[in-house]
Amino acid sequence: GQNIDQPTEMTATEGAIVQINCTYQTSGFNGLFWYQQHAGEAPTFLSYNVLDGLEEKGRFSSFLSRSKGYSYLLLKELQMKDSASYLCAVLSGGSYIPTFGRGTSLIVHP
Amino acid sequence: GAGVSQTPSNKVTEKGKYVELRCDPISGHTALYWYRQSLGQGPEFLIYFQGTGAADDSGLPNDRFFAVRPEGSVSTLKIQRTERGDSAVYLCASSRSGSQGTDTQYFGPGTRLTVL
Repeated sequence: GQNIDQPTEMTATEGAIVQINCTYQTSGFNGLFWYQQHAGEAPTFLSYNVLDGLEEKGRFSSFLSRSKGYSYLLLKELQMKDSASYLCAVLSGGSYIPTFGRGTSLIVHP
Repeated sequence: GAGVSQTPSNKVTEKGKYVELRCDPISGHTALYWYRQSLGQGPEFLIYFQGTGAADDSGLPNDRFFAVRPEGSVSTLKIQRTERGDSAVYLCASSRSGSQGTDTQYFGPGTRLTVL
């Protein structure tokens, strides 16, 4: 099986930077996704990492360390609209069906 | 074209009834997935279709749950003898091929099922 751990809730201030961590324990790691999900809406794709290192995409960046079973999502210049749940999902064991963590609820306040 | 659509958006039913939830994937996407999401949880995998066939149904919780995709596009998730514990948001996603890690899944808005 897989164990994916992320903080339940985080708060941050508009304009600031926030880092959302995800740790996982799995066999046959095949990649890691980050999704954003606003309340009552569908998850939307943010990033995919399969190699170690940092992937930057505008205000959002995602980092992966396979040896440590660790990833983070970095959000810069926070905006109120960034208030959402951020889901970490892992591919493993030769499957292309991701297993999702419980999600981190990010609250951005003025 | 359009994204993934799901109908109905909300479904309220009574314990013991039968329900059908529909998913229209993105045109041309051969892979289709069903997930179930409870409040405060991430999506939980139910079943995956590659074309018309169920390539992986290991996530279906029991034999009350069944899904079909007869023509390789629209899929229907069927739940018999519903129980209160079935209440959740049922999400559908599709991807171009389902055979690559980089193959992004696009989710529909979900159907909120409430079993009274």
